[in-house]
Amino acid sequence: EPEVTQTPSHQVTQMGQEVILRCVPISNHLYFYWYRQILGQKVEFLVSFYNNEISEKSEIFDDQFSVERPDGSNFTLKIRSTKLEDSAMYFCASSEGQPGKTQYFGPGTRLLVL
Amino acid sequence: AQSVTQPDIHITVSEGASLELRCNYSYGATPYLFWYVQSPGQGLQLLLKYFSGDTLVQGIKGFEAEFKRSQSSFNLRKPSVHWSDAAEYFCAVGVSSGTYKYIFGTGTRLKVLA
Repeated sequence: EPEVTQTPSHQVTQMGQEVILRCVPISNHLYFYWYRQILGQKVEFLVSFYNNEISEKSEIFDDQFSVERPDGSNFTLKIRSTKLEDSAMYFCASSEGQPGKTQYFGPGTRLLVL
Repeated sequence: AQSVTQPDIHITVSEGASLELRCNYSYGATPYLFWYVQSPGQGLQLLLKYFSGDTLVQGIKGFEAEFKRSQSSFNLRKPSVHWSDAAEYFCAVGVSSGTYKYIFGTGTRLKVLA
């Protein structure tokens, strides 16, 4: 069964450093998402992406964040200058379409900012 | 505003006992409802979903959920819990404000006693 994959599974970085989280969505999916889960808290929507542009971003998704689909398979989330509060689990998701279609989640990348 | 409430942060049941996890949502339109399970260190696995039709939906691992529009609820049930069901369970509603995205509840952590 096709699945969403994410790399790395864990990343530790120093505050102020740039990180890139990578995702490979399911191949025939058209909509891509990033969500974040701070430890002990709920999963929160960050951004949605369709047709090579951002469809919607949340208040969390400030200028420090960016997303791109550099080729036909990868979908990346970049944090330019990490802050302590960026420490979280980041989930990538993809779906065939909208609305109502199921979003399939990757296993997540646990980011720790020191 | 759209929201999902899972009133129980922690639930402990004995193996073999029945289980019900509560979920209430607030959304003005027809909801798309989901339950996901997250095992420690793992990603989000879809248990079941409700889009329309029969209000009692069956999922994987013996779980079912019932949509009750009058109560704005989508409670998850299992008749006999197994030790491997210990995990965190998230209810989510798919909303179409802006782009289509998920709003998650805060989760219920299930502990199973042998």
